Amino acid sequence: NAGVTQTPKFQVLKTGQSMTLQCAQDMNHEYMSWYRQDPGMGLRLIHYSVGAGITDQGEVPNGYNVSRSTTEDFPLRLLSAAPSQTSVYFCASRLQGYNEQFFGPGTRLTVL
Amino acid sequence: AQSVTQLGSHVSVSEGALVLLRCNYSSSVPPYLFWYVQYPNQGLQLLLKYTSAATLVKGINGFEAEFKKSETSFHLTKPSAHMSDAAEYFCAVSPQSGSRLTFGEGTQLTVNP
Repeated sequence: NAGVTQTPKFQVLKTGQSMTLQCAQDMNHEYMSWYRQDPGMGLRLIHYSVGAGITDQGEVPNGYNVSRSTTEDFPLRLLSAAPSQTSVYFCASRLQGYNEQFFGPGTRLTVL
Repeated sequence: AQSVTQLGSHVSVSEGALVLLRCNYSSSVPPYLFWYVQYPNQGLQLLLKYTSAATLVKGINGFEAEFKKSETSFHLTKPSAHMSDAAEYFCAVSPQSGSRLTFGEGTQLTVNP
């Protein structure tokens, strides 16, 4: 199993550009989530999904969209990037009913 | 609602010394508690978890943590630090029946030779 994979590893955007961060898992996990990591703030939940077709907001959802058309994939879209979205983004997944989450390697995003 | 506070954003120890990373939680229900480790430029890995079984939890790489309800704490310890333990450590809490994991701010551990 590849576990949780994320692409790209690094990305530089200009303010106002859009992009999609990709996340995939091959463990048949129902629950998937996106976090952003900023210095001194730990990881903050952006959006999460409990299954295909079901998504919900976390604590910092503004500026981000998600969709979940398959169990395996959970892309995160930035429609109009802002410098405040400069961060490291982590995707995670777990089985529904279990608490152990598996994390991807992260995407380091810089918005100029 | 639940929250986690990690005391000390940076901890420095000598190789072979005791490692103690502090975590206090707030939860309206009996919590699930976790410690994750993040090595440089990598994602988070689970070190150990408390899920209402034994209060002393042993994890990987010689780490352990003790759940103390009276102190609302879940401190992480290791008797003897190794250079390879240098990393950032995150405490996290989750409600028993919920799906969200709430993380602390993280503690950067430095191990000096």
